[in-house]
Amino acid sequence: DVKVTQSSRYLVKRTGEKVFLECVQDMDHENMFWYRQDPGLGLRLIYFSYDVKMKEKGDIPEGYSVSREKKERFSLILESASTNQTSMYLCASSPPRGWVEQFFGPGTRLTVL
Amino acid sequence: AQRVTQPEKLLSVFKGAPVELKCNYSYSGSPELFWYVQYSRQRLQLLLRHISRESIKGFTADLNKGETSFHLKKPFAQEEDSAMYYCALALSGTYKYIFGTGTRLKVLA
Repeated sequence: DVKVTQSSRYLVKRTGEKVFLECVQDMDHENMFWYRQDPGLGLRLIYFSYDVKMKEKGDIPEGYSVSREKKERFSLILESASTNQTSMYLCASSPPRGWVEQFFGPGTRLTVL
Repeated sequence: AQRVTQPEKLLSVFKGAPVELKCNYSYSGSPELFWYVQYSRQRLQLLLRHISRESIKGFTADLNKGETSFHLKKPFAQEEDSAMYYCALALSGTYKYIFGTGTRLKVLA
C-alpha cells in the first residue's frame, strides 16, 4: 500500500512566520506534488518535482518555494506566511510514467493568523 | 487553454435514485481523465480512470470526445456515496493534472 504522510494535520502560524510543510512517501515514486485545496476552487497545483533537486512551478507558485533533497521527501516552504495562505495543503506522489494515479497524503490544514 | 469544469457545487439525491456528476473538459491534446473521491475525514483517492473502462463501487464514466465530457454515473445511489468528487485531466507530455472545482454529493435517506 502506498503511503504518503504529511508532518502535521493542523498548523496555526502567525503572519510573517516561515512555515515548513513536510511530505514523505514510501513507494520510491519519482514525482511529487503540492496542491492547495480551497472550497469552490478545487485543487490547484503549487509546485511539483519529478526528481531529486528538480522542481517546476505549478499554477500558483507565488509566495511558496519547495525543496527536494531526498527522493522520498518533498517540502513546501512559505517564506513569509500571509492570511491568504490559510488553506488545506495536499501532497501527492506518483510513478514516473504519465497518466498514472496520484496518491495523496491526508492533508495539512494551515491557518495563518 | 486546458480546463476542467464541474458545473455543480452540490448535488443532493435520495437513496436509490440515479446519480450523474457532470464533468466537461477543454484540451487540444488526447485526454486522459480520472475521477477522484474524498470521503469525510479521508484522503483523496482515485475512483476510476477512463482508460480502464471499469466500474468501481457501481460508478461508471464514459469519455465522450464529441461533447468533451466525462460524466460520472451510478444507477442507484447509496448513503455511503456521499463525498466530494473531483474530475481530473492529465496533460500529455507532462506530469501535471488539472482538477475541477469538485462536486459534493449528498445522498439522502
